[in-house]
Amino acid sequence: AQTVTQSQPEMSVQEAETVTLSCTYDTSESDYYLFWYKQPPSRQMILVIRQEAYKQQNATENRFSVNFQKAAKSFSLKISDSQLGDAAMYFCAYRSAVGGATNKLIFGTGTLLAVQP
Amino acid sequence: GAVVSQHPSRVICKSGTSVKIECRSLDFQATTMFWYRQFPKQSLMLMATSNEGSKATYEQGVEKDKFLINHASLTLSTLTVTSAHPEDSSFYICSASGTGKNQPQHFGDGTRLSIL
Repeated sequence: AQTVTQSQPEMSVQEAETVTLSCTYDTSESDYYLFWYKQPPSRQMILVIRQEAYKQQNATENRFSVNFQKAAKSFSLKISDSQLGDAAMYFCAYRSAVGGATNKLIFGTGTLLAVQP
Repeated sequence: GAVVSQHPSRVICKSGTSVKIECRSLDFQATTMFWYRQFPKQSLMLMATSNEGSKATYEQGVEKDKFLINHASLTLSTLTVTSAHPEDSSFYICSASGTGKNQPQHFGDGTRLSIL
């Protein structure tokens, strides 16, 4: 069975600085998707970024980028120029590609990010 | 972008009441929807996978008679918490994805259920 591990329960960053959130996963599959979701205090789940395992290039969305290391099964999220609105719980998630979009997401335990002004 | 609407956003009711939560995909067809439960400061726990036109697949430990799921159309799934008790109080959230292989899951805004 696949598992997702987020080893940092809480992180803190100064406004305008850069922070990296860690995520590792375990799978025997070669084709899968990885996601980072943000959950602010409103508890809405917001997709931040996603990575397809067969793509070597790291995904980037504006200030958010990932460092995807397939061999090491690592998928860290880098937030550049941190803003107060980035404060939230961040979840790393895995989804198998076999069977398509009907597969469930497997979530990590989350990292609570605080942004200091 | 794809939108998933979840209703109601907040429910407060007496013990023994049954509560229905709706999850709708507004601009795409969702053959599969997912229902999660989330306790404070914890991750999302998958309760069941809802498939249009067939029975839901429940995760281990989730009571199917307690949490009834119906997915009658490609845009609507409902979760009914039957005879709710205070221990059922939680945040419930649904998600849905389109039919393509590469489609991400889109989440509803969640329902905060409080049983008195």
